[in-house]
Amino acid sequence: AQTVTQSQPEMSVQEAETVTLSCTYDTSESNYYLFWYKQPPSRQMILVIRQEAYKQQNATENRFSVNFQKAAKSFSLKISDSQLGDTAMYFCAFMKPHLRGGSQGNLIFGKGTKLSVKP
Amino acid sequence: DARVTQTPRHKVTEMGQEVTMRCQPILGHNTVFWYRQTMMQGLELLAYFRNRAPLDDSGMPKDRFSAEMPDATLATLKIQPSEPRDSAVYFCASGPRLFFRGGHNEQFFGPGTRLTVL
Repeated sequence: AQTVTQSQPEMSVQEAETVTLSCTYDTSESNYYLFWYKQPPSRQMILVIRQEAYKQQNATENRFSVNFQKAAKSFSLKISDSQLGDTAMYFCAFMKPHLRGGSQGNLIFGKGTKLSVKP
Repeated sequence: DARVTQTPRHKVTEMGQEVTMRCQPILGHNTVFWYRQTMMQGLELLAYFRNRAPLDDSGMPKDRFSAEMPDATLATLKIQPSEPRDSAVYFCASGPRLFFRGGHNEQFFGPGTRLTVL
């Protein structure tokens, strides 16, 4: 069974600075997807960034980037130029696809990291 | 702007009552998921469907929970009878057909139903 571990329950960062959130996972699969979701106080789950395991290049989305280390089973999220609106819970998630059925599998989530951006 | 909708957004009920939560997935998505979020357990899968057929409901207490997709535009999650330990936020999510090596292989979440069982 796959597991996802986020070892930092809470973090804080000053506005405009850079912060890195850690995530490790355990799997014997070779094809899978990794995601970071953001959950602000509104509770809405918002996709931040995704990474396909077959891609060696790290994904980037504007101020968000990941450091994907497949051999180490590590998938950290870097937020550059932090903004007050980045304050939220951040969840790392793993997904094993159903390739034959052409469908997504369920997401397995870490416990989350509560990020506070301070002015 | 396509999105997943859930009703009700909030529900307060008394122990023993039946609770029904509804979800309208994004049109054209072939998978629908129900997740539950609690402080203690975090986010966990309850059940999911592919092309309206149940694929996995191993995370759901079978004696009181049931999940169905009567048609492609509606997924329901029922709890009967409800208990205080069922208090949580219940999320529905839907995902498009998987494109191996490309495509938007992500799940889109609804706003959640916050359930409180007294």
